[in-house]
Parts: sequence; structure tokens; C-alpha cells
Amino acid sequence: DQQVKQNSPSLSVQEGRISILNCDYTNSMFDYFLWYKKYPAEGPTFLISISSIKDKNEDGRFTVFLNKSAKHLSLHIVPSQPGDSAVYFCAASTQGAQKLVFGQGTRLTINP
Amino acid sequence: DVKVTQSSRYLVKRTGEKVFLECVQDMDHENMFWYRQDPGLGLRLIYFSYDVKMKEKGDIPEGYSVSREKKERFSLILESASTNQTSMYLCASSGGIRYNEQFFGPGTRLTVL
Repeated sequence: DQQVKQNSPSLSVQEGRISILNCDYTNSMFDYFLWYKKYPAEGPTFLISISSIKDKNEDGRFTVFLNKSAKHLSLHIVPSQPGDSAVYFCAASTQGAQKLVFGQGTRLTINP
Repeated sequence: DVKVTQSSRYLVKRTGEKVFLECVQDMDHENMFWYRQDPGLGLRLIYFSYDVKMKEKGDIPEGYSVSREKKERFSLILESASTNQTSMYLCASSGGIRYNEQFFGPGTRLTVL
């Protein structure tokens, strides 16, 4: 039972354009969502998060959008840079819970 | 900054061996986690601990055990390694007001022959 799904295993984007990574979830109790970035041979690093009381959170080139009715969130990277090439994981949790539920990941490749 | 360290970056073991993976965090976090990462499957939780000597099973605990004798250290034990336990193992910790945000170690690439 995959509660958090990233349906695109990979995405290729031209440098300077917008990258949009998508994530769907099934558990309506989830109220906090995070995006992590992972380079090969390194652990994931936290990128950005959003609480269910918001529908948008922005941090520099990164913006996360949350659509609660559709149980969908997306990460926008503008403009995309070569250093953004990595695997991106979305994760979800419920209030007070220590555990995160992760999606399968999307490999983003930024082409020069 | 939180630092999470793992004892080995790469490990090669033989089928049937007992394997210990160690994780240490330096931020006095209450919670510690062990995941494995496999292509197409994302990060799957093996075990987590919310206090010293306390542990809970994650989604895939079979074939694994854990130990948390000190707050900063969380060990993952493969009692009898098998080839299907070849994977990337990631340790994480969390705590304080940002308890949802987990901080990860660099990972251990384990190969079981």
C-alpha cells in the first residue's frame, strides 16, 4: 500500500527552464509534507516543507504547492541549474508523528 | 548543524554473516531511524527508536534487529545476512521543535555475496 507516490521515475529539463516534480498521497491524515534531495553516494538532504494549513511555500528557487482536495503536491524549481540534477523524494507525516512516509523518488537531470 | 555519521560507507559481507551498522548523531535527538533505499522503491523504514532502549518496527523489519543503548547511537543488526539485503542503508535522526524534519547520514552501501 503505497501511501505516497511519485509516478515519474525520471525527468529531464533544459538548464534555465522550470522543473516540476509531482507527488500524490492517499492518506488524508497527512498534514505535513517535505521534499528531500539526494546525490549519489550521499544521504538525502532536506529541501523544503509545507504544512497543510498553507497551499504554497517558497524558498529561493524552490516552491512547493499543496492541493489538499486533490491530495497532490508539487515542487517547482526555477530556474533549473545543473547542480539540481539529483533524486528528489517527497515525504509526508501526520501531526505529532515522528515517522515519515517517502515516495519512490524522481531522478531529475538538468541538461546544459 | 546536525551531524549524523555512519560507521562505514561501503561494506562487503558473505551470506550468513552477522553484520553491524552503526549510526551516531550529535544533536541530542530523541528519534533515530534506519531505512534502506532500493531503486524504484524509495526509502523504506526498517526500524525506528524514539528513546533509549525503545524501538518500533517499521515497514520491513524482517531479518533485522536494532539496538539503542545510548541516546546518540543506533545500531542496525543483520542477524544472518542474505543476498536480498544488498542495499543502501541510511540512518536518520530527528527531534526538538522540528521533529518532522529528519537529518540523514551519508549511507552505507552493503553488498552481500
